[in-house]
Amino acid sequence: AQSVTQPDIHITVSEGASLELRCNYSYGATPYLFWYVQSPGQGLQLLLKYFSGDTLVQGIKGFEAEFKRSQSSFNLRKPSVHWSDAAEYFCAVARNDYKLSFGAGTTVTVRA
Amino acid sequence: DADVTQTPRNRITKTGKRIMLECSQTKGHDRMYWYRQDPGLGLRLIYYSFDVKDINKGEISDGYSVSRQAQAKFSLSLESAIPNQTALYFCATSDLLGASETQYFGPGTRLLVL
Repeated sequence: AQSVTQPDIHITVSEGASLELRCNYSYGATPYLFWYVQSPGQGLQLLLKYFSGDTLVQGIKGFEAEFKRSQSSFNLRKPSVHWSDAAEYFCAVARNDYKLSFGAGTTVTVRA
Repeated sequence: DADVTQTPRNRITKTGKRIMLECSQTKGHDRMYWYRQDPGLGLRLIYYSFDVKDINKGEISDGYSVSRQAQAKFSLSLESAIPNQTALYFCATSDLLGASETQYFGPGTRLLVL
């Protein structure tokens, strides 16, 4: 079995400040990891994904994530947050039967 | 035009009514999925289909049924809606790329069961 944990339900960050969202997974095999973003009233958009190779993955909108096998983590980062980054962020892991398991999500509020 | 569309976008219904949520995609993908999203629970898989002749139950299929009318269409039905089916429902598609596949999501249908 596998699961995905996002420890932070809600994070508030000032515009221009850095952001880090935590994701921990439990999975017996090599994980395939994803970060999705859901803006208010919108569907989920893929930010980035990790399959293999370089453990630092670059995504869209200036986001990056680092896979750390020893910590079973795949944390998402952005150096400088914009007001448009206010959204809900989901971490997910793909199982070897190709289905995704999602974390509960982290809501990000950006204050001026 | 959006690659994955869902209709309706919003729906209010009463307990006991049968309703259908529809999903269409123009991406040419074989795989389609239905999820529900509840606050604090993330997305949970209801049903999925790897091709037109293949339908599989997900984590929470009780109270739901699906129909894969064509490669591009995948409908979710609530046979007799109940209030705890109030949720945001997402359709998704993916191509057969192995475990590295990416799922593409529709905009969601917000359902309220009174």
